Amino acid sequence: DIQMTQSPSSVSASVGDRVTITCRASQVISRWLVWYQQKPGRAPKVLIYAATTLQSGVPSRFSGSGSGTDFTLTISSLQPEDFATYYCQQADSFPYTFGQGTKLDIK
Amino acid sequence: QLQLQESGPGLVKPSETLSITCSVSGGSINSPTYYWGWIRQPPGRGLDWIGIISYSGRTYYNPSLKSRVTISVDTSKNQFSLRLTSVTAADTAVYYCARQRRLTGGGTDFDCWGQGTLVTVSS
Repeated sequence: DIQMTQSPSSVSASVGDRVTITCRASQVISRWLVWYQQKPGRAPKVLIYAATTLQSGVPSRFSGSGSGTDFTLTISSLQPEDFATYYCQQADSFPYTFGQGTKLDIK
Repeated sequence: QLQLQESGPGLVKPSETLSITCSVSGGSINSPTYYWGWIRQPPGRGLDWIGIISYSGRTYYNPSLKSRVTISVDTSKNQFSLRLTSVTAADTAVYYCARQRRLTGGGTDFDCWGQGTLVTVSS
């Protein structure tokens, strides 16, 4: 199985801050990487697919980069509604696997 | 607007079989563009992919569960189902159904999810 490792596991930040979350795959996955946002008690929601493509309706302050094994999710200016847990998922090969999550909370 | 809704028992006894159905509305399950999948999340933990099924019944399972899991589809009812046998406390989780789409240019993601249903395994 491809292991997905996110860092940090948690981060505290303030409204307006720029935040970067990284995701590393244990083997090359090309650009087949998805980022999800999950709020408490809710299902995950797609933010970014194919490593860099913004899902329709997602604010442009979210962006993704990377290919191969190393990927990043950047939120350029945090808004109150962005405090949530973020997961990466590799969509290169079965079984699909997720990172352990990064919890973003208010400083 | 596509909606997915899980239904099933909230409580299952150890060693018994967990069965959950996902009802799809606002769109047809009978499309070659999509797969239909199950993902679970133990309380306070991360996401685990269980498996997917196509409208024609082609399946892919997580090898960690393969001996215990069956996913089936009923296109006449616009539903698909999860069956997990010989459950233990480790199978306690929120179970989500989701649509997996095939993206133009390659790649795939789970773009539409049900609200999830908590299944507790306990005697």
